[in-house]
Amino acid sequence: GAVVSQHPSWVICKSGTSVKIECRSLDFQATTMFWYRQFPKQSLMLMATSNEGSKATYEQGVEKDKFLINHASLTLSTLTVTSAHPEDSSFYICSATASGGVTGELFFGEGSRLTVL
Amino acid sequence: SQKIEQNSEALNIQEGKTATLTCNYTNYSPAYLQWYRQDPGRGPVFLLLIRENEKEKRKERLKVTFDTTLKQSLFHITASQPADSATYLCALPFSGGYNKLIFGAGTRLAVHP
Repeated sequence: GAVVSQHPSWVICKSGTSVKIECRSLDFQATTMFWYRQFPKQSLMLMATSNEGSKATYEQGVEKDKFLINHASLTLSTLTVTSAHPEDSSFYICSATASGGVTGELFFGEGSRLTVL
Repeated sequence: SQKIEQNSEALNIQEGKTATLTCNYTNYSPAYLQWYRQDPGRGPVFLLLIRENEKEKRKERLKVTFDTTLKQSLFHITASQPADSATYLCALPFSGGYNKLIFGAGTRLAVHP
């Protein structure tokens, strides 16, 4: 199946700093990628939809100036958590769809665990 | 608004038995429904998709049913194995967003030898 790679898998940073998470589709082109956030024992919450070459679409309640998303190519989307605070500590997961695959099937990255001290 | 409910309690079963997980949804008529498996600290992995016009779908030891009248999907694992222990997530497309998915909180399955 299609492979989505996320980096870094875990990161610890100080409050007030910015952190960038990369999401790459390794063997397919992803015109659309999705960014989710998951708190312990909770469901995945969709943060934003990232479309190659255009601005991301954010879900209600997600601050676009805090969570910067860039989708500069068909294989790479990045999420930057700006001025991170402890409440931003979470598991961030990206996903993508592959053309020609099962309709609606999402391929997920391994996730990035962010801890803000 | 759309709402998905899955049993929040963990399901503990004996190896070899059939595990049955439930997904209920409200305020919605989705074109399809998906099931994913998630292991601790990992991203979800796609298992099965069932469309609104399909009653049942099978894949190896997995079986999914979709009752659009009851607004419910059942996910079965037959001849369960300890390796099946994981959290299973139900997912539906956002209304108006075909590939955008909304996920249930998941049900944790533990299969004991």
